[in-house]
Amino acid sequence: QKEVEQDPGPLSVPEGAIVSLNCTYSNSAFQYFMWYRQYSRKGPELLMYTYSSGNKEDGRFTAQVDKSSKYISLFIRDSQPSDSATYLCATDSWGKFQFGAGTQVVVTP
Amino acid sequence: SAVISQKPSRDICQRGTSLTIQCQVDSQVTMMFWYRQQPGQSLTLIATANQGSEATYESGFVIDKFPISRPNLTFSTLTVSNMSPEDSSIYLCSVEDPGTGISGANVLTFGAGSRLTVL
Repeated sequence: QKEVEQDPGPLSVPEGAIVSLNCTYSNSAFQYFMWYRQYSRKGPELLMYTYSSGNKEDGRFTAQVDKSSKYISLFIRDSQPSDSATYLCATDSWGKFQFGAGTQVVVTP
Repeated sequence: SAVISQKPSRDICQRGTSLTIQCQVDSQVTMMFWYRQQPGQSLTLIATANQGSEATYESGFVIDKFPISRPNLTFSTLTVSNMSPEDSSIYLCSVEDPGTGISGANVLTFGAGSRLTVL
């Protein structure tokens, strides 16, 4: 069983819609949670970082962590074609990072 | 945050050959990480490279196949040896970046990756 599970998509949404991305993880020792965005032919870049249950908001992006369910989410409001990318969830436990496989998101104009 | 330059950005290689990927960071870092990214799969850590010591390899990766050099605190190389089509992948260099402004956080910054195709 993978330590971090993520639906690979692709997820196609019209411009302006809300994008909802999810990951589950198996190890309750994971303490920190991240979302990375990866554009085609680029490396992953950090998008959101959180270390507690609850919501964290940054502009159009909201990261949500539910440690009791071992569930992490990313919501993108008012999606734009420039949000088309692969989104990877990741966890960190004492410097050991585990990544999801990434969900490809396509926002159509 | 750190800026990482990787080269080559892409290459097409013949079976049985070897290719060395270079990673240059614009600041001194203790550890550098090499990841492999295969289509539809999670980023997989190959090894951790510390300056002045041998790299630490993850399960399933061996030094003979993926020799790593770390001559100083800003540079590392990963060689993919005796390549087969199964080695076709994106290889990513990464560093832990304290310059993100997130107190106490370990976050990774990545290079743009090296896309290898082995025929």
